Amino acid sequence: AQKITQTQPGMFVQEKEAVTLDCTYDTSDQSYGLFWYKQPSSGEMIFLIYQGSYDEQNATEGRYSLNFQKARKSANLVISASQLGDSAMYFCAMREGYQLIWGAGTKLIIKP
Amino acid sequence: DGGITQSPKYLFRKEGQNVTLSCEQNLNHDAMYWYRQDPGQGLRLIYYSQIVNDFQKGDIAEGYSVSREKKESFPLTVTSAQKNPTAFYLCASTLSHLGYTNTGELFFGEGSRLTVL
Repeated sequence: AQKITQTQPGMFVQEKEAVTLDCTYDTSDQSYGLFWYKQPSSGEMIFLIYQGSYDEQNATEGRYSLNFQKARKSANLVISASQLGDSAMYFCAMREGYQLIWGAGTKLIIKP
Repeated sequence: DGGITQSPKYLFRKEGQNVTLSCEQNLNHDAMYWYRQDPGQGLRLIYYSQIVNDFQKGDIAEGYSVSREKKESFPLTVTSAQKNPTAFYLCASTLSHLGYTNTGELFFGEGSRLTVL
């Protein structure tokens, strides 16, 4: 069974609009962490945001926020006021024990 | 500037050949990782090293080998035993393996794309 599911293989969004990238996860652990990384065409993975399972508030980092709904096991990434430079692959990942489990990614394209 | 350098960026291999991908970091990180990325899939862990002269197999270690003789360097050898080596390979590091499990902040190189001819 998939532990990390990203249901949107690709998305087109108009510049300056907000974007929500979906991520659902499956774990029986009480302690876990959820992350989002961005992969531009250059290839490197860039860490965006982290949410611990015990964190009560949603994580925010600049234009990025993580909409953490623990009961629904979802950890959606919200990008406010999208920019052309946001066009990239976005990966959701979950820490379970000492492992980091990755989703298949969402390709985001920002249209001018 | 501190970071992770992978080389070569592109590599072509004939069947039956071993090839070695280089990964060097100047971040003074203890833990280093090798991931494989295939189209439409998430990253899969090949090997990781928590400290010099120590490394552990990840989920897909068969057909790969690594060494960690220096803190800065973690080369990956793709051997002829790897049946389907065409992929994008990413090297990553973090301050400590335990620390990474708390914050998740891995630092990545720009990757090496290996193609088997």
